[in-house]
Amino acid sequence: GAVVSQHPSWVICKSGTSVKIECRSLDFQATTMFWYRQFPKQSLMLMATSNEGSKATYEQGVEKDKFLINHASLTLSTLTVTSAHPEDSSFYICSARRGSGGASDTQYFGPGTRLTVL
Amino acid sequence: GNSVTQMEGPVTLSEEAFLTINCTYTATGYPSLFWYVQYPGEGLQLLLKATKADDKGSNKGFEATYRKETTSFHLEKGSVQVSDSAVYFCALSEGYSSASKIIFGSGTRLSIRP
Repeated sequence: GAVVSQHPSWVICKSGTSVKIECRSLDFQATTMFWYRQFPKQSLMLMATSNEGSKATYEQGVEKDKFLINHASLTLSTLTVTSAHPEDSSFYICSARRGSGGASDTQYFGPGTRLTVL
Repeated sequence: GNSVTQMEGPVTLSEEAFLTINCTYTATGYPSLFWYVQYPGEGLQLLLKATKADDKGSNKGFEATYRKETTSFHLEKGSVQVSDSAVYFCALSEGYSSASKIIFGSGTRLSIRP
């Protein structure tokens, strides 16, 4: 099946620093990628939709200046958490859309990145 | 807004036991419904889906039926195996495919004893 990778799988950083998380579709091109956030024992919450070559679409309540998303190629999207604080500690999951925009399109998920801000 | 509620875990069963994980939803319109599974150390995988009322999704021995009258999409399996141990997420999207915006339940951790 299709594979989506994330790097790093976990990261610990100091408060005030920025952290970049990469999401790659390894065997298909993805014009659309999604970024989710998951708190312990809670649902995955969609943060933003990342479209190749254009600005990301953020969900209500998500600070776009804090969570910078770049989708510069058809196989790579990055999420940068700027000036991270302890409340940003979470599990971040990306997914990539495979298909041409029809009903048969499928989302493939990465394994997630655990961010801990000290 | 749209939401998904599923039974809290963890759920622990013996091998070959019958499994039910309850899931109910709140949505406007006619959402598609999904069950995703996350095995240890891996990304979420689509397990099964149903796109309209009375549809039954099935895969790997798991089944779920889209019940509009009870707004439910309960996951069942007649005889679980140790390899079924994972976290299961019920989810909905407003589109026909799993590539649309997805709203997830909180997940249910399933552990199967040999």
